[in-house]
Amino acid sequence: DIVLTQSPGTLSLSPGERATLSCRASQSVLSIYLAWYQQRPGQAPRLLIYGASSRATGIPDRFSGSGFGTDFTLTISRLEPEDFAVYYCQQYGNSPSTFGQGTKLEIK
Amino acid sequence: EVQLVESGGDLVQPGGSLRLSCEVSGFTFSSYWMHWVRQAPGKGLVWVSRIGRDGSSTSYADSVRGRFTVSRDNAKNTLYLQMNSLRAEDTAVYYCVRDSGGRGFDPWGQGTLVTVSS
Repeated sequence: DIVLTQSPGTLSLSPGERATLSCRASQSVLSIYLAWYQQRPGQAPRLLIYGASSRATGIPDRFSGSGFGTDFTLTISRLEPEDFAVYYCQQYGNSPSTFGQGTKLEIK
Repeated sequence: EVQLVESGGDLVQPGGSLRLSCEVSGFTFSSYWMHWVRQAPGKGLVWVSRIGRDGSSTSYADSVRGRFTVSRDNAKNTLYLQMNSLRAEDTAVYYCVRDSGGRGFDPWGQGTLVTVSS
């Protein structure tokens, strides 16, 4: 199975700041099968990014994804209060699909 | 509007069984692969199972293979997860999710809580 390791585990920032979240895979992942999700407390996950860099429908352009191979990044350019949540990366090109352990983005 | 609504979660004793359902609307159910993903309390997301468009292709996580069975009724727009020989470590919120054909898992249902405890 492909192991995805997210860093940092927790990121403490203030609204308006830039957030950079990392996802590293144990083996190469096809970029077209790398996704990012946001999960707010008590809610289901929501797709943000698919194909490593394509924003899902309705996702603000302050969210962007990049990377290839084994290293992927989710960037939030200017944090809004509603962005403080847990973020997961996922690879869905190899079976079984696997998720990273998550990065908690908290208000500083 | 695309909607996925899970039901069937409950408190069950170890060794017991439960069947989860996921009723979908707003899209052509038979055109999509579907998945179950679970999340133990305070933990991350774990893929559980998937099923092909006509139900003939299925796969499972090692942790549930032989105990869980995924199925679907395309006429009823409903996905199922039959869970047998339940263990404490199966305690989780179970989400049904549409496989958007290369565009990630989207959308997700609201989840249904399964608690395995004596």
